[in-house]
Amino acid sequence: GEDVEQSLFLSVREGDSSVINCTYTDSSSTYLYWYKQEPGAGLQLLTYIFSNMDMKQDQRLTVLLNKKDKHLSLRIADTQTGDSAIYFCAETPFNQAGTALIFGKGTTLSVSS
Amino acid sequence: EAGVAQSPRYKIIEKRQSVAFWCNPISGHATLYWYQQILGQGPKLLIQFQNNGVVDDSQLPKDRFSAERLKGVDSTLKIQPAKLEDSAVYLCASSGGLTLSYNEQFFGPGTRLTVL
Repeated sequence: GEDVEQSLFLSVREGDSSVINCTYTDSSSTYLYWYKQEPGAGLQLLTYIFSNMDMKQDQRLTVLLNKKDKHLSLRIADTQTGDSAIYFCAETPFNQAGTALIFGKGTTLSVSS
Repeated sequence: EAGVAQSPRYKIIEKRQSVAFWCNPISGHATLYWYQQILGQGPKLLIQFQNNGVVDDSQLPKDRFSAERLKGVDSTLKIQPAKLEDSAVYLCASSGGLTLSYNEQFFGPGTRLTVL
């Protein structure tokens, strides 16, 4: 089946690292994504990882993929108050008609100064 | 480059009324998606178009929802009649390709629908 699970809330202090976790069930997904949603705004692609990779780093963002456990994580280094938002993990299973994203429920990240 | 445009941004209607949403994708993007995002949940696909053809509408409640993309550019999503549980944000997204290679979807700001 297609199901993406995320923890719902994470609270950190400014300057700390944030780690947001996600588990997915469809091993056919070729790409896995992290999207950010700020209040009143649309979804913004933060980063993505190809399923044959273990890690991808992009400035303050590090994505780790454990394909055996179907576990994906997003680490934000030196978290800033501007990082406060909802973060969605998403996948595109191979065995569906189109290329739509399957999203988790989102993790609300709260950054305090 | 202009982003995905949606209108209206907000809509309040009573149950059993009808409503329509409009989306204009990024110029040149062949693929267009409509997602429904209920409060506290992630977006869920309603329908995907490739040009003016439907690729996936398996999760579209066809007894009340309809969508079209007649000229392969902009699209409208209609609900008739609306129910209370249709209260949600309706997101439109577009992308440049259909293949399962990396395929970034660009999202519009959404239309927030409240059904009373």
